[in-house]
Amino acid sequence: EAGVTQSPTHLIKTRGQQATLRCSPISGHTSVYWYQQALGLGLQFLLWYDEGEERNRGNFPPRFSGRQFPNYSSELNVNALELEDSALYLCASSLDGWPYNEQFFGPGTRLTVL
Amino acid sequence: GIQVEQSPPDLILQEGANSTLRCNFSDSVNNLQWFHQNPWGQLINLFYIPSGTKQNGRLSATTVATERYSLLYISSSQTTDSGVYFCAVVYNDMRFGAGTRLTVKP
Repeated sequence: EAGVTQSPTHLIKTRGQQATLRCSPISGHTSVYWYQQALGLGLQFLLWYDEGEERNRGNFPPRFSGRQFPNYSSELNVNALELEDSALYLCASSLDGWPYNEQFFGPGTRLTVL
Repeated sequence: GIQVEQSPPDLILQEGANSTLRCNFSDSVNNLQWFHQNPWGQLINLFYIPSGTKQNGRLSATTVATERYSLLYISSSQTTDSGVYFCAVVYNDMRFGAGTRLTVKP
């Protein structure tokens, strides 16, 4: 069974540009979560999508947004990129939504903002 | 919000030694997971353990939800066990501890 996949593996952008990151969940999983791991800040929850709807949001500005498609895949968009957005972005999926389901993580997209 | 504290922050062992990693959390939680982050950044699931004890080979974990802590035991450590170990709890969202960086020397 294929795990969570993410693309691209690496992404280099300049300040002010927009970045789009993609995630495909494990087959049968309906919930997708996004996390940011920035140097010195640890792993922080960004967004949770379930059945095409945004269900919960972490403490991030509105320029971090996303969506979930009918096939349950998801994309994360980061607008007006800032240097501090450089981080590893991890996507996870679970069978159903919070709070009782185990989350499985993808390999991540490393975003570098120059 | 809920606080998650892991200890120790760093741990250096000789191959073959045993270790215990601790995760304390400040409120009741619905869900707790332990992960190992490999050198490429991927989080590998170790245990889903909101309560009780589980074992998987050389690794085992115990969560005492009423006392708000969880322990991860690694026995007969190997160099491939090196990396960062995270615990994460779910309350309103998933909160990660700062991690324990384990280095196993040959």
